[in-house]
Amino acid sequence: NAGVTQTPKFRILKIGQSMTLQCAQDMNHNYMYWYRQDPGMGLKLIYYSVGAGITDKGEVPNGYNVSRSTTEDFPLRLELAAPSQTSVYFCASSALGQANSPLHFGNGTRLTVT
Amino acid sequence: KNEVEQSPQNLTAQEGEFITINCSYSVGISALHWLQQHPGGGIVSLFMLSSGKKKHGRLIATINIQEKHSSLHITASHPRDSAVYICAVGDSGTYKYIFGTGTRLKVLA
Repeated sequence: NAGVTQTPKFRILKIGQSMTLQCAQDMNHNYMYWYRQDPGMGLKLIYYSVGAGITDKGEVPNGYNVSRSTTEDFPLRLELAAPSQTSVYFCASSALGQANSPLHFGNGTRLTVT
Repeated sequence: KNEVEQSPQNLTAQEGEFITINCSYSVGISALHWLQQHPGGGIVSLFMLSSGKKKHGRLIATINIQEKHSSLHITASHPRDSAVYICAVGDSGTYKYIFGTGTRLKVLA
């Protein structure tokens, strides 16, 4: 059982480039999340989804986009990368909403924008 | 002021010591979560609790809802316990997870 699979693990982008961070889960979870983790800060929510076809903005959505065409996949798109997007990105899923079920995390993507 | 505060930020202990990490929060919650992030970066869920106490091996998590406070205890600490421990709450108003900044624990052999 793979859980949450996130790719790539590392990526270096030049300013203005675009990329997609992939996230897939095999637990049939409806709820999926994208977080970024910056040094000294707690995880910040970028976007989330409560099911296929439904997405919504989190705290820090600017510069990102998501889609949720299937229950399994929740890719995060960075358009026109900026140095401020240098961070570690985590995808997560949970079985239930209402933040009272455990979160399952991917292994993270370390992104550097130069 | 952050809605979820952890203390201490950094902690160094000798192998075998009893360790306590604290978490205070200021919002109404649906549940509180303790997470572990290893040096490799992966994050795993240790506990989810909404009242009382839970135990798993050498780890014990407690919560006091009235005082809006939780503690994570590690008994007989071991170098493999070295990690960042993150407290997170489910906000009962928004149903979003709010994360603390983490406590970096190093256990020396």
